[in-house]
Amino acid sequence: GAGVSQSPSNKVTEKGKDVELRCDPISGHTALYWYRQRLGQGLEFLIYFQGNSAPDKSGLPSDRFSAERTGESVSTLTIQRTQQEDSAVYLCASSLVTGAPEKLFFGSGTQLSVL
Amino acid sequence: EDQVTQSPEALRLQEGESSSLNCSYTVSGLRGLFWYRQDPGKGPEFLFTLYSAGEEKEKERLKATLTKKESFLHITAPKPEDSATYLCAVRNTNAGKSTFGDGTTLTVKP
Repeated sequence: GAGVSQSPSNKVTEKGKDVELRCDPISGHTALYWYRQRLGQGLEFLIYFQGNSAPDKSGLPSDRFSAERTGESVSTLTIQRTQQEDSAVYLCASSLVTGAPEKLFFGSGTQLSVL
Repeated sequence: EDQVTQSPEALRLQEGESSSLNCSYTVSGLRGLFWYRQDPGKGPEFLFTLYSAGEEKEKERLKATLTKKESFLHITAPKPEDSATYLCAVRNTNAGKSTFGDGTTLTVKP
């Protein structure tokens, strides 16, 4: 596709339910990132994929959070037993991997609201 | 741990009133410093990458500069359409985690 696509754009769930957020990166981008952005704040790193592997999961806040990537393409971020503090915008980004630090291309995010 | 601090948190300008946004950073071996623009309800959009102290990049009314401790985003004669949140990020590897600041929200009044 032309850009990074995320779905759903909005998700409202009840506390304790599981949710899945999807990201379709730009074709050919081997690096994929998930970030969380709380209202009025900057971006909080969650996880980084290189191909289908995740060499850096250091930002996942608890074991309720997991992510996978398949086919060096689509990624899914799963949050189990959601809590109200999980409410935020979840942003996905992708980039090329070269010999220099490359810019990130972001999707428009998934606004998650936990009631 | 890498840290990025942006100031001010919010900046209100009149159209045509030039100013600067600051990004102070500490990083273990800077590989790149990035500026992004974020409009409400959208993901950040790339503006500039700076790689080493002394480097400058320009695009329309924006100019980014870099020293060993901070970066500035200079806005010359801003227009209302420049209103957005400007985010600074640093990376200490070619690929992997970028550490972001909390951003500066710029409002330009006509």
